[in-house]
Amino acid sequence: DAGVTQSPTHLIKTRGQQVTLRCSPKSGHDTVSWYQQALGQGPQFIFQYYEEEERQRGNFPDRFSGHQFPNYSSELNVNALLLGDSALYLCASSLLLNEQYFGPGTRLTVT
Amino acid sequence: EDQVTQSPEALRLQEGESSSLNCSYTVSGLRGLFWYRQDPGKGPEFLFTLYSAGEEKEKERLKATLTKKESFLHITAPKPEDSATYLCAVQAVGSNSGYALNFGKGTSLLVTP
Repeated sequence: DAGVTQSPTHLIKTRGQQVTLRCSPKSGHDTVSWYQQALGQGPQFIFQYYEEEERQRGNFPDRFSGHQFPNYSSELNVNALLLGDSALYLCASSLLLNEQYFGPGTRLTVT
Repeated sequence: EDQVTQSPEALRLQEGESSSLNCSYTVSGLRGLFWYRQDPGKGPEFLFTLYSAGEEKEKERLKATLTKKESFLHITAPKPEDSATYLCAVQAVGSNSGYALNFGKGTSLLVTP
């Protein structure tokens, strides 16, 4: 049984560019959440998708947007990248409100 | 506002030296408290969920407990492979905040041979 998968593993972008990160949930899961983790910090909640709609959003600007597809996979888009957006981006999947299982993350570096 | 504080920030143990990690929290209504293990550069690995005060869960050398204000992760006779960052997160009850995990900063554990 495949766990949560994310792509790409690493990404280097220039300030002002746009980026799309992808996530496939664990088999049987219908909910996808995205988190940002800066070095030495705990993950910070960005938003959660369920039934192809954003169900809850954390304290992140509108530059961060997402999408969930009918097969439950998800994308995270970040526009107008800032240096401060450099972080490990984590996707987590769950079945309704049960425990969230995390993927390996995408390391984004903005130069 | 929900708050999660973990202590200590870092802990160094000799192999076999048991200890406890602390997670104190303030939340309007607790739906669940979660413990994760994270190795460097990787995603958090789920360990335990605790739902009510007095609840305990065990897995190998790890035991998690929960009170109304804090949770402890007890590590018995640790081995070097237990070295990792341990993260605590709370999930609150409520239609506006019932889904996000609110994490602490973690405790970085190093177990030396």
